[in-house]
Amino acid sequence: AQSVTQPDIHITVSEGASLELRCNYSYGATPYLFWYVQSPGQGLQLLLKYFSGDTLVQGIKGFEAEFKRSQSSFNLRKPSVHWSDAAEYFCAVAPISGGGADGLTFGKGTHLIIQP
Amino acid sequence: DTGVSQDPRHKITKRGQNVTFRCDPISEHNRLYWYRQTLGQGPEFLTYFQNEAQLEKSRLLSDRFSAERPKGSFSTLEIQRTEQGDSAMYLCASSRAFNEKLFFGSGTQLSVL
Repeated sequence: AQSVTQPDIHITVSEGASLELRCNYSYGATPYLFWYVQSPGQGLQLLLKYFSGDTLVQGIKGFEAEFKRSQSSFNLRKPSVHWSDAAEYFCAVAPISGGGADGLTFGKGTHLIIQP
Repeated sequence: DTGVSQDPRHKITKRGQNVTFRCDPISEHNRLYWYRQTLGQGPEFLTYFQNEAQLEKSRLLSDRFSAERPKGSFSTLEIQRTEQGDSAMYLCASSRAFNEKLFFGSGTQLSVL
């Protein structure tokens, strides 16, 4: 069964500083990979996704993520964070085949705190 | 699009009562998913529909849980004989097709006293 590990429960970053959120997955093959953001009282919003091709993917709000097959990682980055980026971030995987469990498997999330 | 809407936003119930939640997906979306999220955890997949057909159910979905999507549009999730462990945020999401972008609703927060 696939699994997702987000090693950092909380991360605190100063406004304007760079950000990297870690994500490692366990899966028999390369799955589809996603990053979602959840702000208080709001639904999950897709930041970016990786299906195939270029391993560096660009997303919304200035985020990017890099797929590294050798490390089974899909880390999220942003060069300069804004106070509005404070939220919960979830990495997720989905099977390529679509057979069996079709839903996303989420990590436990990383809570991002922005210091002024 | 108008987004995925869920009703109610909050539900407080006593243990042993039955509750029902509704999800209205984006109108042209064929796939509809239910997830459950507890505090400090990521969402956990419960079940999904392709049009009116329920194609997959997680082991998390005990026999007290039932989901329907009778006309391939809105969906309901019913929990019978609620337990305190059922307290969670229940999220609905929809997409046009497999691995198309998922749009999530804001969820129904269930509190079982």
